[in-house]
Amino acid sequence: DIVMTQSPDSLAVSLGERATINCKSSQSVLYSSHNKNFLGWYQQKPGQPPKLLIYWASIRESGVPDRFSGSGSGSDFTLTISSLQAEDVAIYYCQQYYTTPTFGQGTRLEIK
Amino acid sequence: QVRLQQSGPGLVKPSQTLSLTCAISGDSVSSSNAAWNWIRQSPSRGLEWLGRTNYRSKWYSDYAVSVKGRITINADTSKNQFSLQLNSVTPEDTAVYYCARRDDLLRGSFDHWGQGTLVTVSS
Repeated sequence: DIVMTQSPDSLAVSLGERATINCKSSQSVLYSSHNKNFLGWYQQKPGQPPKLLIYWASIRESGVPDRFSGSGSGSDFTLTISSLQAEDVAIYYCQQYYTTPTFGQGTRLEIK
Repeated sequence: QVRLQQSGPGLVKPSQTLSLTCAISGDSVSSSNAAWNWIRQSPSRGLEWLGRTNYRSKWYSDYAVSVKGRITINADTSKNQFSLQLNSVTPEDTAVYYCARRDDLLRGSFDHWGQGTLVTVSS
């Protein structure tokens, strides 16, 4: 299985500031013939299921605020929240779907 | 609007079978554009994909190595739902279980999730 490793494990950011979460896969999740990275980002709040934020590494899901963006290719990816809002406090997960789906361990985002 | 509604017991005895059902509204379990998955979450294992079923002219199922041999995921087209059976459970199977749709047409990702069911394995 592809191992997904996120950094940091936890992050505290001031309201209005930028938050950056990194995700590294143990092998490339870029499907060259499709030119697509099989990588998604999810947000999970307490007592709720994960919510899809980003798919194909950089495409924002409908209804997701544009302060959320995804970037990267191959094995290194980043989720950026450009201006942190109080409602963004959550755990964030990356997930690859290049092969048998696997998730990162999660990054807990808090307000500083 | 797609909605997934889970049902099933929250307590299962060791060595018995865990059974959960996910009822689908707003889509079809027979859709050729989706796969229907079970995922669990525990503090020790994080988010763990267990398996999926999907229909592409015939039914396919695929399971995680960690539970292969103990798991069955079936679709019920008459009720538009799919189910999870996990046999011979142990306390390590204690987790929140989610059903989820994988959108194979546009997103490739799990775009809709059930509400989650906490299943505790205990005597």
